[in-house]
Amino acid sequence: QVQLVESGGGLVNPGGSLRLSCAASGFPFSDYYMSWIRQAPGKGLEWVSYISGNGANTKYADSMKGRFTISRDNAKKSLYLQMNSLRAEDTAVYFCAREGHSISGTLNWGQGTLVTVSS
Amino acid sequence: QLVVTQSPSASASLGASVKLTCTLSSGHSNYIIAWHQQQPEKGPRSLMILNSDGSHSRGDGIPDRFSGSSSGAERYLTISSLQSEDEADYYCQTWGSGIQVFGGGTKLTVL
Repeated sequence: QVQLVESGGGLVNPGGSLRLSCAASGFPFSDYYMSWIRQAPGKGLEWVSYISGNGANTKYADSMKGRFTISRDNAKKSLYLQMNSLRAEDTAVYFCAREGHSISGTLNWGQGTLVTVSS
Repeated sequence: QLVVTQSPSASASLGASVKLTCTLSSGHSNYIIAWHQQQPEKGPRSLMILNSDGSHSRGDGIPDRFSGSSSGAERYLTISSLQSEDEADYYCQTWGSGIQVFGGGTKLTVL
């Protein structure tokens, strides 16, 4: 079955950096778009970024452009999110998500990893 | 601008049915959406993909108590034979022009 396991969350100072990872299994990883979606404490879901199966196509929400970078290693079946210039408002649980062969609705979710930006 | 709107809360009795609504912004009434469920203290779970004509495909293991329908810019999620574990937040999601958007979620209380 599909499994998505995030790691790399933690406490970071404002202005700092963090790299999230997501280990995928149970499906042909390179065939699928992947996304990062976040949820601030007590708030709703917010799309962060997505990447195509071959890594050639990436998109970001406006508030993350220039600060976050999504990438993937298909040989390792892993998805990454490099987060720089972090702000207090980036504090959230970050979910790794499997999309379809194109962007057509999220199919599976990980359990999430908590990122806390605070001094 | 692509936006989806949901009512913040809904309630229904155990064993009854409830219909949740997701409204697409003007000019986007033919968009496909997805419905997701998030139970308390858990990660979200994908329920279904819902087309503008009301046809839908449920995710793996999603019972047929969960069904979808459409009318114009409205997308609906109907849950029948409500169970206590259906008490959760329900989010709709859509996508287009290089972005994805989520509604603010509907908190469903099972009485």
